[in-house]
Amino acid sequence: EVVLTQSPGTLSLSPGDRATLSCGASQGVGTYLAWYQQRPGQSPRLLIFDEYKRDTGTPDRFSATRSGTDFILTISRLEPEDFAVYYCQQYGNSPPTFGQGTKVEIK
Amino acid sequence: QVQLQQSGGEVKKPGSSVKVSCKASGGPFDNYIFSWVRQAPGQGLEWMGRIIPIVNMANYAQKFQGKVTITADTSTSTVYMELHGLRSDDTAVYYCARDRDGTGFPAFFDLWGQGTHITVSS
Repeated sequence: EVVLTQSPGTLSLSPGDRATLSCGASQGVGTYLAWYQQRPGQSPRLLIFDEYKRDTGTPDRFSATRSGTDFILTISRLEPEDFAVYYCQQYGNSPPTFGQGTKVEIK
Repeated sequence: QVQLQQSGGEVKKPGSSVKVSCKASGGPFDNYIFSWVRQAPGQGLEWMGRIIPIVNMANYAQKFQGKVTITADTSTSTVYMELHGLRSDDTAVYYCARDRDGTGFPAFFDLWGQGTHITVSS
């Protein structure tokens, strides 16, 4: 199965900062990558699918792209509600798999 | 607005089974596919399997073959996940999630239940 490796494990930033999260895949997944946000005590919430497409309701401060074999999620200016754990997930190969998560915490 | 409402948390003994329900309300059910995802304490997310309710066909991650049974009742818009032979390492939060329509398999998940906490302890 495809292993997704997210980095860094934890990102310590302040509100208003820019956050850059990375997700690398052990094999090609095409553009079949999604990003989720999980706030403490809540369920995951879909942010991005098909590598870069924002889901309905995802603020435009969230953007995603690919750099070589790494998928990148960028939050342009962190709002207080953005401090959470972010997971990438691939659906290009069976079974669907998730990265281990990146925690964005308040510095 | 469609919501997925899961059953409440349970404490189970090792070796027993548990059945978790996930009821869809506020929208169509038959047209969708539903998955179950596990999150162990402090850990990431792990896809367990899915079901196509309209044809009552399920498939499972290899790790969960024989461990999990996923079923659906279209008359009540509910999917179920039964976990057998519980062990302490099955202690986790279990989520039902809806596959995005038209994605095929594998899929990504555009709607999640609130999660059900299962604790396995003697």
